[in-house]
Amino acid sequence: QSALTQPASVSGSPGQSIAISCTGTSSNVGGYNYVSWYQQYPGKVPKLLIYEVSSRPSGISNRFSGSKSGNTAALTISGLQAEDEADYYCTSYTNFTILFGGGTKLTVL
Amino acid sequence: QVQLVQSGPEVKKPGASVKVSCKASGYTFTIYDIHWVRQAPGQGLEWIGWINTYTGNTNYARKFQGRVTMTTDTSTSTAYMDLRSLRSDDTAVFYCARLTVTEAFDVWGQGTVVAVSS
Repeated sequence: QSALTQPASVSGSPGQSIAISCTGTSSNVGGYNYVSWYQQYPGKVPKLLIYEVSSRPSGISNRFSGSKSGNTAALTISGLQAEDEADYYCTSYTNFTILFGGGTKLTVL
Repeated sequence: QVQLVQSGPEVKKPGASVKVSCKASGYTFTIYDIHWVRQAPGQGLEWIGWINTYTGNTNYARKFQGRVTMTTDTSTSTAYMDLRSLRSDDTAVFYCARLTVTEAFDVWGQGTVVAVSS
């Protein structure tokens, strides 16, 4: 069982917006602004999309955005594209450890 | 450019140990902690632990305590993860990753496949 809870799958059509949730507790997601999101294609290395809840590293499209409310963080992808079909993982810092979500498979219909 | 280069694939028998290396280049090694993450076939990412590359202090996930040891060789900018008493369910891709001050993994190694089979 993962420490952070993500939906196993989400789907959307090209051009639509989708959101992936990441639910933790007040000891992790709710207690720190250190939530990150990663994109991973099958057989590939994870790639950082969002850090500190809502900041994007250089080179990451502004179609990706992050937010947090209480113990739940969310990754929103707007203007869905076929290339967004991948697995997405959230992480949160807590007490000198990093917690991962179980991952969400995004299908672009 | 900044990169982490890991050692090659390993095949081990149950009960054996494996030591995976992660060589950093393109930045000052001791400024960033190195974390280790694994991914079993068809499964999600799992955090194993981290090492402070400056002090050598470590912190391991409870699941791996007693079975994992992380070390560094600052003279070669290399981090190591030693996992003992391997079981078949340890079969996975093991990644090293650099953690930034914002608690995000901004650079990842290419992954090392460790297969455990009798």
